[in-house]
This record gives sequence, structure tokens and C-alpha cells, in this order.
Amino acid sequence: GAVVSQHPSWVICKSGTSVKIECRSLDFQATTMFWYRQFPKQSLMLMATSNEGSKATYEQGVEKDKFLINHASLTLSTLTVTSAHPEDSSFYICSAREAIHEQYFGPGTRLTVT
Amino acid sequence: AQKVTQAQTEISVVEKEDVTLDCVYETRDTTYYLFWYKQPPSGELVFLIRRNSFDEQNEISGRYSWNFQKSTSSFNFTITASQVVDSAVYFCALKDNTGTASKLTFGTGTRLQVTL
Repeated sequence: GAVVSQHPSWVICKSGTSVKIECRSLDFQATTMFWYRQFPKQSLMLMATSNEGSKATYEQGVEKDKFLINHASLTLSTLTVTSAHPEDSSFYICSAREAIHEQYFGPGTRLTVT
Repeated sequence: AQKVTQAQTEISVVEKEDVTLDCVYETRDTTYYLFWYKQPPSGELVFLIRRNSFDEQNEISGRYSWNFQKSTSSFNFTITASQVVDSAVYFCALKDNTGTASKLTFGTGTRLQVTL
């Protein structure tokens, strides 16, 4: 089956710094990638949808200047959390869509901001 | 707006018991897709099943079975003879049929704990 990787799998950073998370589709081309955030014991909340070569579409309440998404190629999307604060600590999951109905999830990145 | 409700927050069963996880959904679309995912402690989502709105046949895969009832907008998931390895959070999700713009809406999840 299709594989989606994320890097890093976990990261600890200091408050005020920026963190970049990569999402790659390893064996397929993904025209659309999604970024989710999951707080402990909660569901996945969609943050944004990104299409290759165009600006990401952010969900209501998600700050686009804080969560920068770049989808520069059909196999790579990045999420940069700028000026991270402790409340940004969460589990970030990316997902890549190969066809309209086939959506594959990455293993997630656990971000801790101290 | 789409909505997925998983009323059971946590379920605890003893190994070998059968357990059913409930999922009720809301959508105005006539064509839509329903999913179940498993999220073990490692965090990675594991795809279990996808079902489209026109296919109401129940499905069985090993110890797993799914009951899709369009009349009650439910898509319940049953694990037969549960095992400790089934312990995880299970999410039901709904996707509309708006093509490339379609998005998954997740339920709040049901945490299943299977003990010896």
C-alpha cells in the first residue's frame, strides 16, 4: 500500500522558535495533502488542505501566519509552526491523497514546546 | 454541515468478548463515504474500511464486521472475540463527494481497552 512518512517523529523546541515538519508520499504522487492536529485524548482536527503548487486552504480558526504550509512538489508538503508556544504542543498528522477516495496518513509528529 | 457522533467515549472488555462501537453520522449529501480507522498507542492511523453510501451490504473481515444502516444513519463496527491487541482508539469518519475539495470529518473516537 501507499506510504506516507513524516519527519521528525517527535521534536522538542523552546518557546519562540520555529519548527518545520515534513510530510512525504513515498511511492505515489499526492496532488492534495492535509494537515491535522490532535490534542491528547481528542479527535483529529483538520488544519489545512494544500494542493501542489497553490496556496493552502486553512480551516476556520487556524492562523495561516502561524502555521505555514508549503506544498512545493507532488511528494512533499511542509508545515512550519512559527514562534511556537506551549499551547502549540500537539500531535501533528499529515495525510496525502492519491486519488479522490484514497487518502493515506503519516505516522504523526509529536511536538512539545517548552 | 457534516457531523459524526461516537457516543461511546471509552469501552472496557475482557479478552474474547464481542464489542460493538457505534457511529452515527449526519450529512445532506446523497453520495458520501464512511470510514473506520484504528489508532493504536503509537499514534499512527490504520485504515480499516471504506464504504460508499450506495453499498449497504454488511462486511466481514476476519474478526471485524461492519453494519451500515442508512435508515438510521449508522455505521457500527463489531469486533468478535476481542484481543488485547485490539486496544486502541477507533475513529469513524465521513467524507462527502465533492471531488478534490472533499474532506474527512472525524468522530471524537472510542477508546477500547481489552484486558486479560
